[in-house]
Amino acid sequence: QQQVKQSPQSLIVQKGGISIINCAYENTAFDYFPWYQQFPGKGPALLIAIRPDVSEKKEGRFTISFNKSAKQFSLHIMDSQPGDSATYFCAASMGTAARQLTFGSGTQLTVLP
Amino acid sequence: NAGVTQTPKFRVLKTGQSMTLLCAQDMNHEYMYWYRQDPGMGLRLIHYSVGEGTTAKGEVPDGYNVSRLKKQNFLLGLESAAPSQTSVYFCAIGDTGELFFGEGSRLTVL
Repeated sequence: QQQVKQSPQSLIVQKGGISIINCAYENTAFDYFPWYQQFPGKGPALLIAIRPDVSEKKEGRFTISFNKSAKQFSLHIMDSQPGDSATYFCAASMGTAARQLTFGSGTQLTVLP
Repeated sequence: NAGVTQTPKFRVLKTGQSMTLLCAQDMNHEYMYWYRQDPGMGLRLIHYSVGEGTTAKGEVPDGYNVSRLKKQNFLLGLESAAPSQTSVYFCAIGDTGELFFGEGSRLTVL
């Protein structure tokens, strides 16, 4: 049972454009929502995370938007660069205990030069 | 990735063979994890450990065994490999908020 649904599966964006990846969750007990970035041949690495007490969190060109009532959250990458080309995973958990993380299926982002 | 080393990085097995993947960390974390990554499935937790000598099942534990005899090492074993276990396996460490992953071990079972 997939508790975190991620879309799209793949995304192609021109350099300078905005990349948007969406995730939806079912379990209302989830209260921690991280995003991981994975480059080819590497392990995932934490990119940014949010808790449901805020609707938005921004770190540089990366922003998480959170809609608690809709049980959805999204990652926005502003001014997308070829170096952002990677696979992005959303995740959710009850508390920050890593063993409780449920990952989305991943989005492969390609930013064209 | 600094601090988490997986060996081997690549392995090809025949159905029914056994093997062990080793994860070694130098960050002194109590918590260690084994995930598998499959296309369209994201990352799924196989087993994890909250300290030396302890292990617990994750989401997809069947067909795998683990051991944590030393704090810095977490071993993942396949006693009788099946083609369905063809995957990329990731070890990770961390307890709250952030996981640190190794670079992965690609396993193919023919």
